[in-house]
Amino acid sequence: AQTVTQSQPEMSVQEAETVTLSCTYDTSESNYYLFWYKQPPSRQMILVIRQEAYKQQNATENRFSVNFQKAAKSFSLKISDSQLGDTAMYFCAFMKHWGDDKIIFGKGTRLHILP
Amino acid sequence: DGGITQSPKYLFRKEGQNVTLSCEQNLNHDAMYWYRQDPGQGLRLIYYSQIVNDFQKGDIAEGYSVSREKKESFPLTVTSAQKNPTAFYLCASSIQGISGNTIYFGEGSWLTVV
Repeated sequence: AQTVTQSQPEMSVQEAETVTLSCTYDTSESNYYLFWYKQPPSRQMILVIRQEAYKQQNATENRFSVNFQKAAKSFSLKISDSQLGDTAMYFCAFMKHWGDDKIIFGKGTRLHILP
Repeated sequence: DGGITQSPKYLFRKEGQNVTLSCEQNLNHDAMYWYRQDPGQGLRLIYYSQIVNDFQKGDIAEGYSVSREKKESFPLTVTSAQKNPTAFYLCASSIQGISGNTIYFGEGSWLTVV
């Protein structure tokens, strides 16, 4: 069975700094998808970034980028030039590429951006 | 607009009462999911369905029931057997295809026991 682990329950950084959120996972699958979701106080789940395991290149979306290490089963999220609006809960998630299986979420990291 | 619609956004339940949360999607997704989120906690899977008329229990299915009679609809019933139902409930759907797998979420429903 797949598992997703986020080892940092809570983090705080100053505005404009760079912060990295950690995520590790365990799977025997060779092809899968990994996601980072942001959940602000409104509780809406917002997709931040998606990575396909068969792609070597790390995904990037503006100030958000990932460091995907397939062999180490690590999928960290880097937020550059952090902004107050980045304050939220961040969830890492795993999904098989194909087949009937559930989406697995980590327990989340609460990120505070300080002014 | 395409998306997932959850209703109601806020619901109050009396002790011993069953209540149903609605989840409708017009994205033509095959798979749908229900998650429960308690304050400050992660998402726990209640039930999921990969196809019409079929669904599987998640990690915390006790006290809940679902149906999947139509592709676009996946209602969740919180029964009186669920002793601590006060929580935020999220419905999601996903598609698996050559363009890649994607997960979409509704805006959630707050359930409070009074």
